[in-house]
Amino acid sequence: RKEVEQDPGPFNVPEGATVAFNCTYSNSASQSFFWYRQDCRKEPKLLMSVYSSGNEDGRFTAQLNRASQYISLLIRDSKLSDSATYLCVVRLGDSSYKLIFGSGTRLLVRP
Amino acid sequence: GAGVSQSPSNKVTEKGKDVELRCDPISGHTALYWYRQSLGQGLEFLIYFQGNSAPDKSGLPSDRFSAERTGGSVSTLTIQRTQQEDSAVYLCASSLDSTSGNTIYFGEGSWLTVV
Repeated sequence: RKEVEQDPGPFNVPEGATVAFNCTYSNSASQSFFWYRQDCRKEPKLLMSVYSSGNEDGRFTAQLNRASQYISLLIRDSKLSDSATYLCVVRLGDSSYKLIFGSGTRLLVRP
Repeated sequence: GAGVSQSPSNKVTEKGKDVELRCDPISGHTALYWYRQSLGQGLEFLIYFQGNSAPDKSGLPSDRFSAERTGGSVSTLTIQRTQQEDSAVYLCASSLDSTSGNTIYFGEGSWLTVV
């Protein structure tokens, strides 16, 4: 079983739609959680951290469920520019420098 | 620019040859990471450097892979006797230090193709 699992997609949605991605992680000792965005043939960039209480950044909302070991990302009012691959990332508590990446969920927003 | 710089950006090499990939981290960043990303896959941890501490080499896939970081700054990832399965993008990243609150920043990667 992969340490971080994501639905690869693609999610194909119209502009303005709301879309949600889930991610599950296997190591209950995981301490920190993030969503990264990766555009085609580009490097990953931090989109947002995920906090236990949930957090929002504009159109983006991240949630963490420690009991079920999953993380979610909700994008409201999708824009064409949101088209990218979204990587779920976990940092383990016992070696806090190492980030474990999921394979990513691809989002396509169409006009 | 002030970001993580990697070179070469693209490299095509023949099977069996050695390659060296270079990473210049953001100035002042003491933590440096190498990851590998194969086509359509997630990022695979390779190696981590933090200051003068011994590196964590636990992700290196074979003894053909090695990395060093000289003077606490520039790092070189070396792949000896390259194989076709080594074809991937090699991403370097750096952060201020290893604490969990610090964002890591990636370079644009070195795209390696072994033919």
